[in-house]
Amino acid sequence: GAGVSQSPSNKVTEKGKDVELRCDPISGHTALYWYRQRLGQGLEFLIYFQGNSAPDKSGLPSDRFSAERTGESVSTLTIQRTQQEDSAVYLCASSLFGKASSYNSPLHFGNGTRLTVT
Amino acid sequence: AQSVTQPDIHITVSEGASLELRCNYSYGATPYLFWYVQSPGQGLQLLLKYFSGDTLVQGIKGFEAEFKRSQSSFNLRKPSVHWSDAAEYFCAVGPLGSSNTGKLIFGQGTTLQVKP
Repeated sequence: GAGVSQSPSNKVTEKGKDVELRCDPISGHTALYWYRQRLGQGLEFLIYFQGNSAPDKSGLPSDRFSAERTGESVSTLTIQRTQQEDSAVYLCASSLFGKASSYNSPLHFGNGTRLTVT
Repeated sequence: AQSVTQPDIHITVSEGASLELRCNYSYGATPYLFWYVQSPGQGLQLLLKYFSGDTLVQGIKGFEAEFKRSQSSFNLRKPSVHWSDAAEYFCAVGPLGSSNTGKLIFGQGTTLQVKP
């Protein structure tokens, strides 16, 4: 597709339920990132995938959060037993390369999934 | 710890007026610096970036930013604001750690409102 696509655009769930968020990166982009944007705050790095390397999960806030990526395509972010503090916009981004030497390949962001936990 | 601070949460300027959005960072080495814009209902878009060399960088939509090492700042400027510039602006710094990935630390964002 032309850009990074995320679905759903909005998700309302009850506390304690599991949710799955999907990201379709730009075709050919090897690097994929998940960020979280809480209301009134900056973007918070969650996880990074680069090709077939082990993902960098250093930003995941708890073991309730996990993410997978199939090859260099779709990624899903799963939040188990959701809590109210999980309410945020979850943003996905992709880039051609993930290494600093290739910073001429900027991050391309999707429009995000707005998650509301009631 | 590495951090990015955008001191102004909200800024309102009149259309045609000049604009400066502030960004200060704390980083252990020469950082890579970015400004992104998030327009209503749209994803973040890269405005400009600084890696090295000339400290005044030009971006899209008439924006520029100046890297000042002595002040640990990377302020975004535009000489004449247009109504379509109303959006949220994020300053970001990278890379992080030794893995040299594209992970970025983002500031809290500055919301720009443009008065007619």
